[in-house]
Amino acid sequence: AQSVTQLDSQVPVFEEAPVELRCNYSSSVSVYLFWYVQYPNQGLQLLLKYLSGSTLVKGINGFEAEFNKSQTSFHLRKPSVHISDTAEYFCAVSAGTGFQKLVFGTGTRLLVSP
Amino acid sequence: SAVISQKPSRDICQRGTSLTIQCQVDSQVTMMFWYRQQPGQSLTLIATANQGSEATYESGFVIDKFPISRPNLTFSTLTVSNMSPEDSSIYLCSEENTEAFFGQGTRLTVV
Repeated sequence: AQSVTQLDSQVPVFEEAPVELRCNYSSSVSVYLFWYVQYPNQGLQLLLKYLSGSTLVKGINGFEAEFNKSQTSFHLRKPSVHISDTAEYFCAVSAGTGFQKLVFGTGTRLLVSP
Repeated sequence: SAVISQKPSRDICQRGTSLTIQCQVDSQVTMMFWYRQQPGQSLTLIATANQGSEATYESGFVIDKFPISRPNLTFSTLTVSNMSPEDSSIYLCSEENTEAFFGQGTRLTVV
């Protein structure tokens, strides 16, 4: 079985500052990893995903994440955030074989202030 | 990228009634997934729906409460039965996870 830990429930940051949202996972098999964003009163939007290949994954809206197998991490980063990035961010993992369910972390609320 | 449409987008229902949520995908997919997001919480998988067979439910979810249909490779429904205020949540459907797209969700309020 897979599990995901998002240690930071809330991350406050000033506009144009860099940000890192942490995600650690646990799995006994290879995994697929995902980051989603949820804006208030909206559904989930896929930011980026790691399936295989390059460990640095670039996504939409200037976000990127790096898969680190030895540290079982998949941290999300953005070099300069905007007010509009204020949202809830979810990390998710699935077993990397066939069609498997997603297991979600508890989410990190990113609060960007002017 | 897949497009997933859910209906209704939101509803307010009386306790004791049932609501059926529809999920339509614009391409054929083997598996569809139904998730629940309770207020202020993360997403939890309710069940996996495979066309032509009964859905597989996660621990804590039962077919009598959340019956699911999967009549073809592009469509599924989730019914929330005999609703109580505790069922107030966002319900989301998703398709095969390597694409991992979600519908916009159905925001359900039970009064």
